[in-house]
Amino acid sequence: DAMVIQNPRYQVTQFGKPVTLSCSQTLNHNVMYWYQQKSSQAPKLLFHYYDKDFNNEADTPDNFQSRRPNTSFCFLDIRSPGLGDAAMYLCATSPWGDGFTEAFFGQGTRLTVV
Amino acid sequence: QKEVEQNSGPLSVPEGAIASLNCTYSDRVSQSFFWYRQYSGKSPELIMSIYSNGDKEDGRFTAQLNKASQYVSLLIRDSQPSDSATYLCAVNYGGSQGNLIFGKGTKLSVKP
Repeated sequence: DAMVIQNPRYQVTQFGKPVTLSCSQTLNHNVMYWYQQKSSQAPKLLFHYYDKDFNNEADTPDNFQSRRPNTSFCFLDIRSPGLGDAAMYLCATSPWGDGFTEAFFGQGTRLTVV
Repeated sequence: QKEVEQNSGPLSVPEGAIASLNCTYSDRVSQSFFWYRQYSGKSPELIMSIYSNGDKEDGRFTAQLNKASQYVSLLIRDSQPSDSATYLCAVNYGGSQGNLIFGKGTKLSVKP
């Protein structure tokens, strides 16, 4: 089945140790999003790709970076995780078009920082 | 700053009742509106989408959009305990590039 897959589902990392979260999609969608969601809060958009064009939200910390080597894959790199970066990280995709289509979410990666 | 506002709740309704969830948004040029359901510890799943003023019905769910008032709502009829979840309102601000912004969500509890 076509879907959005995030790996790993659970990630434990040490304070300050770089970590990479991955997302892959078989939907061939042009738009890929990374959201951060902390407990009882809204998913917060970190950045998104429209094809190869990278769009960073103004309040996304420099500690967060992203790569999209091809249509299918997108990575979230956290260069020096702090305790405040512990959250669920959600990847989502959306088809290119007129902006009327919804986002399809992966299952998320729960990041713990110790 | 584009914003999506929701009452965080919790909203508690008895089983079989109608649950009414509300959302307002800040930017008049917004084109598309979505309701997602999120169970605890899970990722959001799409419930309804609406693009035009008026009502859109799908089973027990009805989405309502009023662009003049910048208001979108979700009605859940015959609420079931399995409907207990957080409901997220999302607004697409970015046209074809798809800049999707979420509200904080309303936590719904349906009591048997």
